[in-house]
Amino acid sequence: DVKVTQSSRYLVKRTGEKVFLECVQDMDHENMFWYRQDPGLGLRLIYFSYDVKMKEKGDIPEGYSVSREKKERFSLILESASTNQTSMYLCASGPGGRMVGELFFGEGSRLTVL
Amino acid sequence: EDQVTQSPEALRLQEGESSSLNCSYTVSGLRGLFWYRQDPGKGPEFLFTLYSAGEEKEKERLKATLTKKESFLHITAPKPEDSATYLCAVLPGGSNYKLTFGKGTLLTVNP
Repeated sequence: DVKVTQSSRYLVKRTGEKVFLECVQDMDHENMFWYRQDPGLGLRLIYFSYDVKMKEKGDIPEGYSVSREKKERFSLILESASTNQTSMYLCASGPGGRMVGELFFGEGSRLTVL
Repeated sequence: EDQVTQSPEALRLQEGESSSLNCSYTVSGLRGLFWYRQDPGKGPEFLFTLYSAGEEKEKERLKATLTKKESFLHITAPKPEDSATYLCAVLPGGSNYKLTFGKGTLLTVNP
C-alpha cells in the first residue's frame, strides 16, 4: 500500500515561531504537494514539487516555503507562524502524466497557532 | 477562472436509500475529473478518474459518470460506512498538476 506519512498529527505553536512540517512517501512518486484545508474554503494548494530541489508556487504560497532535498521527503516551513495559519495541512504524492490527479494523501497535520 | 461546484453541501440518507451527488465544473478544457472520499480528521482517499464525457467507473456501491459540464457520483443502497465527505476535483487543460477542488458533499447514512 502507498503510504504518505506526515510527521505530526497535532501541533500547537506560538505566533512568530518557525514551524516545520515533514512528509515522507514510499512510492517513488515524482510529484509531491502541500495543501491546506479550511472549513468553507476547501483544499488550497500551497506548493508543488515535481523533482528534487524543484518547486512551484500554488495558490497561497505567502508565508510558506518548502524544501525537497530527497525524492521521498517534502517539507513545509512556516518562517514566522501567524494565527491565520491555523489550519489542517495535508501532504500528498502522486505519479505524473495522465494520472497526475490521482493523489495519495497523508493523515494531515492540524496546526494551531496561538 | 476554473470553478468546481458540488451539490448538495450535505445529504442525509437512510441505509439502502440510493441517491446522487453532483459536481459541476467550468474549466478551459478538461484533462481529468477526480473523485475522493474523506473521513473526518483524515486525508482524502482517491476513488475514481474520469477523462471524457460518457465515461463511467464503478466501485462497490459507487458509480461515477461524466458529461461535458458535470459529473455524478451515484450511491446505490448505501450503508453507514459510506458516510464521509466526497470531494470532486478537476485538472484543467492548461495545467500539468494543479487540481481545482470543490468544497465537497458531506454524506451521512443512517442505519
